[in-house]
Amino acid sequence: SYEVTQPPSVSVSPGQTARITCSGDKLGDKYACWYQQKPGQSPVLVIYQDTKRPSGIPERFSGSNSGNTATLTISGTQAMDEADYYCQAWDSGTAYVVFGGGTKLTVL
Amino acid sequence: QLQLQESGPGLVKPSETLSLTCTVSGGSISSSSYYWGWIRQPPGKGLEWIGSIYKNGNTYYNLSLKSRVTISVDTSKNQFSLKLSSVTAADTAVYHCARAYYGDYGVWGQGTLVTVSS
Repeated sequence: SYEVTQPPSVSVSPGQTARITCSGDKLGDKYACWYQQKPGQSPVLVIYQDTKRPSGIPERFSGSNSGNTATLTISGTQAMDEADYYCQAWDSGTAYVVFGGGTKLTVL
Repeated sequence: QLQLQESGPGLVKPSETLSLTCTVSGGSISSSSYYWGWIRQPPGKGLEWIGSIYKNGNTYYNLSLKSRVTISVDTSKNQFSLKLSSVTAADTAVYHCARAYYGDYGVWGQGTLVTVSS
């Protein structure tokens, strides 16, 4: 079955750029999206269809997807961005969904 | 504003069937091109996609759960449901219902904890 892999943790200093990767075989041929989840809350979609930001998501969140890797980039990271981030791949041909294992972003 | 709300028993005995319902308010479950899905999260662990249903009734399931999962929709009640059979302690999780467009889940319910225990 298809799998996508994320690093368990990423650390970044406030104001710096955080990059979280998501790897999978030919992931660039599928749609990738990203969710932010804070403790005790439901996930929030922050990037969809590889690069698009939902209404209300700050511009500092951006995404890319090419080859075998999708990347979530948070520019000018703020303390409020500390959370778990999950990538998700979707195959438009099969409608099959798979989540990555999640990355804990620490802002220190 | 679209809202989703999960409901169902919070405690299920091993080997029995877990049954949850998601009630959709603020929009019709049969309108537009959306997938209605279930995602779960064991305590302290990551997200796992269970499956989804499209407005035409087509269902899509996680292959690892496919033999035990049924997702159905009741358009008259604006609800969709999850049944997971032969549960074990490994099925203990927060279960979320959510709406997807092109595979991205933009609207989520608050989630409901289901514990499998005798």
